Formats: sequence, structure tokens, C-alpha cells
Amino acid sequence: KQEVTQIPAALSVPEGENLVLNCSFTDSAIYNLQWFRQDPGKGLTSLLLIQSSQREQTSGRLNASLDKSSGRSTLYIAASQPGDSATYLCAGGNNAGNMLTFGGGTRLMVKP
Amino acid sequence: DAMVIQNPRYQVTQFGKPVTLSCSQTLNHNVMYWYQQKSSQAPKLLFHYYDKDFNNEADTPDNFQSRRPNTSFCFLDIRSPGLGDAAMYLCATSRRTGGADYEKLFFGSGTQLSVL
Repeated sequence: KQEVTQIPAALSVPEGENLVLNCSFTDSAIYNLQWFRQDPGKGLTSLLLIQSSQREQTSGRLNASLDKSSGRSTLYIAASQPGDSATYLCAGGNNAGNMLTFGGGTRLMVKP
Repeated sequence: DAMVIQNPRYQVTQFGKPVTLSCSQTLNHNVMYWYQQKSSQAPKLLFHYYDKDFNNEADTPDNFQSRRPNTSFCFLDIRSPGLGDAAMYLCATSRRTGGADYEKLFFGSGTQLSVL
């Protein structure tokens, strides 16, 4: 059974700093991986989806990479802003089609 | 415009009293999911529909049922809610494009269920 771990559980950085969030998974047979953002009491917003044949995706200040052989994914946030403060979750899907196993999330605080 | 709509936003029910949560989508996605998220925990997949095909997770209690009468709507029925079922219930949709490939998931805002 796929297990997804995110480290650190919480992170506080000053505004403007570049940062990396980590996600690791136990089953290298992971098919694809998504990164989500969740604000308190709200639903999730998909940030980036790395498809099976891809190694990374970029959207604005965000870049996500996927290394299946090492069982790791990273989310890079450039020039962090207070509005980036949220919980970031990664989730891995298997080849049965969209069975997402979520990590516990990293709670990010960007201080002005 | 909201694309995945969950109603109600907050639901209070009594111990053992059946409750239904609803989800609708305007995206015409062929896959709909229900997740349970307890406080400070990761979302946990309960089940999903691929078109009309229902897929239940092995560890989803029998107390939880789902219906998808058409492409746009999906319901979560909790037959006899217990105190441990208090959680945020999240609905999500996606388009499966072929094989195991699919597009990004879109989530609703969730229904926060309280059990008294």
C-alpha cells in the first residue's frame, strides 16, 4: 500500500525566501503526482500535476519535480509571499486511475 | 464561477440519524470522488465513480454509501453517523482521458459535518 510522507510538517520563512517542500512515497510504481494547496477550512486547489511520462511541471513561481526511482517529489516556491501561507499537500496516483494517496501536508507560514 | 459545489457548507446531525451530503459539478467530468478529512489529517479517499462505475476503497465502512444519479451530481449517505464520523467531507472531480491518465482534480469547498 502506497504511503506518502511530507517533511517538514510545518515551515516558517521570511517573505522573499525561496523554499522547497518535500514529498516521499514508498511505492515507486506511482503513476503520477499532484501538489495541492489548502487554506484553513477550505477545499483543496490543485497546483501542479506531473503526469506519468513527465518529470517536472512549472506554473509561475512554482516548480514541481518527480523522481520515481528515488521515491521523491519536491515543490519549489520562488520569492515566497505572505499570500503563499497555506498547507501544501502532495498526493500520488496509481495506474488503476486516479487513486490518490495524500501526504500529511506541510503547513507554510510566510512572514512579512 | 464555482465548478464543484457542495451543499451544505456546514451540517449538524444527531448520533445515528441518517444524513446526506451533496455535490454537483459543471465541468462535465467523468470521475467524482468523496474524501473524508479529519482535523489536521490528510484527506482519505472513501470511494469514487468513473462514469457510473462505483469504486469503493477497501477500508471504507459500510456505514458510508454513495449515489451518482447523473454526470453532474453525486451524494454521500451516512446511514448511522457516529461521533467518529465528524469531519470535513470533500468532493472532487476529474476527467479521465484514457487508460490511467487524467487531468487535475477540482475540489469543492467541503461540508463540515458535526455529530451531536
